[in-house]
Amino acid sequence: SAVISQKPSRDICQRGTSLTIQCQVDSQVTMMFWYRQQPGQSLTLIATANQGSEATYESGFVIDKFPISRPNLTFSTLTVSNMSPEDSSIYLCSVEALSNLMAFFGQGTRLTVV
Amino acid sequence: GQQLNQSPQSMFIQEGEDVSMNCTSSSIFNTWLWYKQDPGEGPVLLIALYKAGELTSNGRLTAQFGITRKDSFLNISASIPSDVGIYFCAGATSGTYKYIFGTGTRLKVLA
Repeated sequence: SAVISQKPSRDICQRGTSLTIQCQVDSQVTMMFWYRQQPGQSLTLIATANQGSEATYESGFVIDKFPISRPNLTFSTLTVSNMSPEDSSIYLCSVEALSNLMAFFGQGTRLTVV
Repeated sequence: GQQLNQSPQSMFIQEGEDVSMNCTSSSIFNTWLWYKQDPGEGPVLLIALYKAGELTSNGRLTAQFGITRKDSFLNISASIPSDVGIYFCAGATSGTYKYIFGTGTRLKVLA
């Protein structure tokens, strides 16, 4: 399995500001995803991070709020823009191997908006 | 968004007991994954299932891909305190690499 590192691991942010979360993988991967896990809840897919092109967003998530970059096959960023307390969640980066469809996760970024 | 229903939602068991949990959907899935999440950590992949009826083990854990392809089951034998955590199932349909996650089963083990 790939080693997935997320930064920061946690942050406390003021409402109205933006936070960029980084995801670094130790090997090249085709599929990268960003998930949100609200307090006490399950995981919800935000978007698929596409290398060299715009991310593909799931229903209920938009690029203006969650811009995503993926400049290469080992790195992606998710920005949470104009934050409000409702954005307080754990944000998780995931990578998937096409060979076996196994999806692996980073340790997550715990965001608190005050 | 769509979610898979897991049951039970939570359970307390005695150390040494066996545990069973399941995951059901109204949709057919081609791949099932089972994860464990500890507090403050990302989910850790436990088992992957690819065919209807498939039974796969990982140590004390055994998971099955339901024959209807709309459900999956996870069993933990002889539970130990470190089994405490939240267990999630995740399913993907044919032609997509995107997983839908279950609502989770919170397991607490009493020593």
